[in-house]
Amino acid sequence: GNSVTQMEGPVTLSEEAFLTINCTYTATGYPSLFWYVQYPGEGLQLLLKATKADDKGSNKGFEATYRKETTSFHLEKGSVQVSDSAVYFCAPGDTGRRALTFGSGTRLQVQP
Amino acid sequence: DTEVTQTPKHLVMGMTNKKSLKCEQHMGHRAMYWYKQKAKKPPELMFVYSYEKLSINESVPSRFSPECPNSSLLNLHLHALQPEDSALYLCASSQEAGGRARTEAFFGQGTRLTVV
Repeated sequence: GNSVTQMEGPVTLSEEAFLTINCTYTATGYPSLFWYVQYPGEGLQLLLKATKADDKGSNKGFEATYRKETTSFHLEKGSVQVSDSAVYFCAPGDTGRRALTFGSGTRLQVQP
Repeated sequence: DTEVTQTPKHLVMGMTNKKSLKCEQHMGHRAMYWYKQKAKKPPELMFVYSYEKLSINESVPSRFSPECPNSSLLNLHLHALQPEDSALYLCASSQEAGGRARTEAFFGQGTRLTVV
């Protein structure tokens, strides 16, 4: 099955700072890659996805590029807001288990 | 409608009780999932249903019993749980049921279960 390594949190930033959350994975083949976000007390929401090498997923100012050579899918945002405070999960699709494998999650805290 | 609806939102049950969690989606998805999430941890896969048949059981104890009555509904029957089973239980669905996991999964808000 897949494995995912995600940077440890919490990540604490000031509003308008630049955000990078690193994600690398091991997988059989070339899975689709996803970032999910979980706000306090809620379920998971899809943030963005990429389905093949060099694809860039983007949503709400967040971006991530599918890097086949480095098996990475790092999440970036140019200017974070307090409302971005949440836990972010990197998740490659697992073609063996037919389900997502989640990274450990990175908690982001944005201070005003 | 891209919603997965889970009921109840909160559940407190004793160790001798029997209860059920319910999940519903009307997106025409043919794959449905149960995940368990402990505090400050990622979701862990429990069960996968594909075309209403159980395709994956991640070695879950038999006190958790899934059921998929039709393509829109997924239940999780609970019996004789332990306090360590307290967690957020998440249901999800996806279009892809062919084993390639290339499409996104949509998650419900979860049921927060406390076993006393």
